[in-house]
Amino acid sequence: GQQVMQIPQYQHVQEGEDFTTYCNSSTTLSNIQWYKQRPGGHPVFLIQLVKSGEVKKQKRLTFQFGEAKKNSSLHITATQTTDVGTYFCEWGNTGKLIFGQGTTLQVKP
Amino acid sequence: GAVVSQHPSRVICKSGTSVKIECRSLDFQATTMFWYRQFPKQSLMLMATSNEGSKATYEQGVEKDKFLINHASLTLSTLTVTSAHPEDSSFYICSARGTGTNTEAFFGQGTRLTVV
Repeated sequence: GQQVMQIPQYQHVQEGEDFTTYCNSSTTLSNIQWYKQRPGGHPVFLIQLVKSGEVKKQKRLTFQFGEAKKNSSLHITATQTTDVGTYFCEWGNTGKLIFGQGTTLQVKP
Repeated sequence: GAVVSQHPSRVICKSGTSVKIECRSLDFQATTMFWYRQFPKQSLMLMATSNEGSKATYEQGVEKDKFLINHASLTLSTLTVTSAHPEDSSFYICSARGTGTNTEAFFGQGTRLTVV
């Protein structure tokens, strides 16, 4: 079956450093979504990627969808303490909402 | 954006009792809702897909007789944890997609269940 791995599981960075999380699939994805969950909160939608090789930016966040639509990344430039949380990728090929394992980001001020 | 309201946000119950969690889509009709369980520092594990007017589809390993799902209307789905045990203590969260395909998911606030 389809397997999507999200790495790393945890990342501790100094404020101002960059951060990247990756989702890698064994099969082609029709689309991929990214969410952020703050500690104690619920996931909040960040972006959707649909096209092969797509790159989207939201301020300091850059989202990429691979050419083969098998991998995706979320990159944060110059992290801030407000970036703390867990970032999930999600794909919905079968209509379900299936989430990656998540990457928990800790930012040291 | 669309709003999904989940209630209650926290509940403490005694072992052996049942707890009902409600999930409402406030400004859109959700023919399908999803129920997740999340343990501390772990991902959201899909428990079941709730379909309006029909039986829910449960993921492998999820006991349908223990986690009863009812989706009686286009705006309300409920999850009832029956005969709760301490190991059922967890964060339960519902979600629904907006209208159309390949759209973002909206989440309820989640319910922190503690069984004592």
